[in-house]
Amino acid sequence: EDQVTQSPEALRLQEGESSSLNCSYTVSGLRGLFWYRQDPGKGPEFLFTLYSAGEEKEKERLKATLTKKESFLHITAPKPEDSATYLCAVQARAELTFGEGTQLTVNP
Amino acid sequence: DAGVIQSPRHEVTEMGQEVTLRCKPISGHNSLFWYRQTMMRGLELLIYFNNNVPIDDSGMPEDRFSAKMPNASFSTLKIQPSEPRDSAVYFCASRVQDQPQHFGDGTRLSIL
Repeated sequence: EDQVTQSPEALRLQEGESSSLNCSYTVSGLRGLFWYRQDPGKGPEFLFTLYSAGEEKEKERLKATLTKKESFLHITAPKPEDSATYLCAVQARAELTFGEGTQLTVNP
Repeated sequence: DAGVIQSPRHEVTEMGQEVTLRCKPISGHNSLFWYRQTMMRGLELLIYFNNNVPIDDSGMPEDRFSAKMPNASFSTLKIQPSEPRDSAVYFCASRVQDQPQHFGDGTRLSIL
């Protein structure tokens, strides 16, 4: 059974204080690892797909990395508008298995 | 481009009533997914369709739940009869082959 565990559950940062979110996974035959952002009252919004260990992708202040057992979402010099829940998901077949998410709050 | 469109955005109804949730996927997408999100269990896949055909409904909690996709641009998720424990946010997502899933903004369902 595919499993995804995200940590921490919640994270509070000051504006400009860099940090990382963790996503640990077990899956048989990883086809892709996905990061989504979810704002209150909205659906998850796609951020990144990573396919193989060692791969990295960046978008503005976000950088996602992948190893054989986990992925990190690094947030550099965050701003209040980065506040959201960040979801990690793995794909072994057609469907995604999601983690519980990390709720990030960035204070001005 | 229009994203995934879900309706209604909010639904409040009494226990025992039939509830129908609707989804219009992104044009050209050939896979459609229904998820349920709760505080306790997070995002859970209920069922998905490929080219309008149900492929995996193992996540559908009970026979009270049913889903249809009569054509490439429309899908419904029906709960009959509804129960308070069905209260959750229901999301629809679509994708084209091997691309990321794109989500609608969900239907917040409250069963009293």
